Amino acid sequence: DTGVSQDPRHKITKRGQNVTFRCDPISEHNRLYWYRQTLGQGPEFLTYFQNEAQLEKSRLLSDRFSAERPKGSFSTLEIQRTEQGDSAMYLCASSSRSSGLNTGELFFGEGSRLTVL
Amino acid sequence: AQTVTQSQPEMSVQEAETVTLSCTYDTSESDYYLFWYKQPPSRQMILVIRQEAYKQQNATENRFSVNFQKAAKSFSLKISDSQLGDAAMYFCAPPGISNFGNEKLTFGTGTRLTIIP
Repeated sequence: DTGVSQDPRHKITKRGQNVTFRCDPISEHNRLYWYRQTLGQGPEFLTYFQNEAQLEKSRLLSDRFSAERPKGSFSTLEIQRTEQGDSAMYLCASSSRSSGLNTGELFFGEGSRLTVL
Repeated sequence: AQTVTQSQPEMSVQEAETVTLSCTYDTSESDYYLFWYKQPPSRQMILVIRQEAYKQQNATENRFSVNFQKAAKSFSLKISDSQLGDAAMYFCAPPGISNFGNEKLTFGTGTRLTIIP
């Protein structure tokens, strides 16, 4: 078990460009979450998946943001036409409800830091 | 909506001493989990301790313990025998909805804990 991995760890882009982040959850986890964290703040929920279904999206997630989880494995978060306000750490987390055991614990990746110039 | 308040943006403690981080929250749920997560500098968030709201006994994990006051919606974290490795941002995350619905967590703004050698 290698934990939750995210790629890239750092991304610097110019305003108006598109960026995509990838998250590989812990293999047996069926739930995957995306959070955004700005400097000095706690993580803010963006969206989550159960298997391949996107079950909830935050109002923070504008139309420029899209997330997918094809086949219920890895997930991508794409930001189109980036703005300086999108600069943040994007965190991915996964959890499991297997065997009816719900610990509620989220396992986080190290995050993908986005800087929009 | 679930809200959470961490009123101490920064705390410091002498190594080997005890420190308590406070957290209050609001929820309409009756059965839920509460969590404290730790985020060391430039490292991923990890779970410190979890409390199940239906349990009257306060959770403990080695040097970490909570004081859970359900009626007051208060959930503080006590760190005993503080160590240099405890230096981190600490986030309160209540409540995770148990068994049904999603385990989307709402994080507080965090408390930055500094350990003084």
